[in-house]
Amino acid sequence: DTEVTQTPKHLVMGMTNKKSLKCEQHMGHRAMYWYKQKAKKPPELMFVYSYEKLSINESVPSRFSPECPNSSLLNLHLHALQPEDSALYLCASSQSRLSNYGYTFGSGTRLTVV
Amino acid sequence: GESVGLHLPTLSVQEGDNSIINCAYSNSASDYFIWYKQESGKGPQFIIDIRSNMDKRQGQRVTVLLNKTVKHLSLQIAATQPGDSAVYFCAESREYGNKLVFGAGTILRVKS
Repeated sequence: DTEVTQTPKHLVMGMTNKKSLKCEQHMGHRAMYWYKQKAKKPPELMFVYSYEKLSINESVPSRFSPECPNSSLLNLHLHALQPEDSALYLCASSQSRLSNYGYTFGSGTRLTVV
Repeated sequence: GESVGLHLPTLSVQEGDNSIINCAYSNSASDYFIWYKQESGKGPQFIIDIRSNMDKRQGQRVTVLLNKTVKHLSLQIAATQPGDSAVYFCAESREYGNKLVFGAGTILRVKS
């Protein structure tokens, strides 16, 4: 298995809702990442998990809450989002925090906040 | 790197021609570079990578060239096909942490 799987593919949520994005990989990678991508822009790093521990938080607002339950799963919990948070949210994984080898992206979750 | 506003540079090529997509990276300490292809509504797809101890690396129909002197990276696609139409991003890895930073991107349009 050489894929990163993200669910759901599309999500529409209100500003008072709580939702979660899920990401799964079975490549044995020990680093996992969340990126945010706005239209016509490159992906921007949000969080890095290394060996299930949060190692980088790129000053992301607390309405985004990441979680890494085990080495294969990564969640992004969403609460009280704003319309400007609408974007494509990408999950990625790589062999380890110090090795970019095999840096693989999922297909993303298209999030719309209304 | 910072993206250049709302308008990505666009490269239009005729089917069958060779394409060259360029990227300038910002940090001379970067030691690993990746080219990604992103089609509409999909995540970035790995194309080819290169480490800073190399100047050139070839894959299937693609070649990446690295010029560390001027901090320039290029992706050459041979015999470009309609399926190659997408946005292409270069990404650089900085420092010793695993922080991949993306360039602004280039739209490749292949005319049949």
